[in-house]
Amino acid sequence: QKEVEQNSGPLSVPEGAIASLNCTYSDRGSQSFFWYRQYSGKSPELIMSIYSNGDKEDGRFTAQLNKASQYVSLLIRDSQPSDSATYLCAFWRYNNNDMRFGAGTRLTVKP
Amino acid sequence: DTGVSQDPRHKITKRGQNVTFRCDPISEHNRLYWYRQTLGQGPEFLTYFQNEAQLEKSRLLSDRFSAERPKGSFSTLEIQRTEQGDSAMYLCASSSGRDRRAHYGYTFGSGTRLTVV
Repeated sequence: QKEVEQNSGPLSVPEGAIASLNCTYSDRGSQSFFWYRQYSGKSPELIMSIYSNGDKEDGRFTAQLNKASQYVSLLIRDSQPSDSATYLCAFWRYNNNDMRFGAGTRLTVKP
Repeated sequence: DTGVSQDPRHKITKRGQNVTFRCDPISEHNRLYWYRQTLGQGPEFLTYFQNEAQLEKSRLLSDRFSAERPKGSFSTLEIQRTEQGDSAMYLCASSSGRDRRAHYGYTFGSGTRLTVV
């Protein structure tokens, strides 16, 4: 089992729709979880962090964490073409002092 | 301070040559990380510094790779005797935080794209 698995893409949604991105992780010791956005040819950019079970909202983005199910998701409301990018899920490993990333899900928002 | 700076942005080298990359983190960040990313994959952890101390190094990292962070400021990543499989984007990231049990996310540099021919 991979340490971080993301739903296979690519994912395509129409402009204005909700995009749902999912991620599961295997390390039960993980304490901090992150979503990064990466445009083609660019470096990853942190967009959300979540540390506790439940939902965390920031503008059009909502991160959801369920530690019992080892599951984290990102919802993007009112998707815009500018949201088209690869979204990387990541978790921080306290015992190893490093962050592990999933392979990413490519999202395309069609006008 | 405008963020994490990496130099060069692109590097093309012949197989067998040595290459060195530089990273300047955000000045108040005491943690510095190197990652490698290939097409279609997420960033893969290489090594981690807290101030000048190299605290973690991936077991996947061969002896051809070495990293330094003298005086806890900028860092260099050297690859000796490059191979075609070393072709990738090399990303540097920095973060702050005194409590090692918490983490606040990384700020990545623009990366150095290495092509070994």
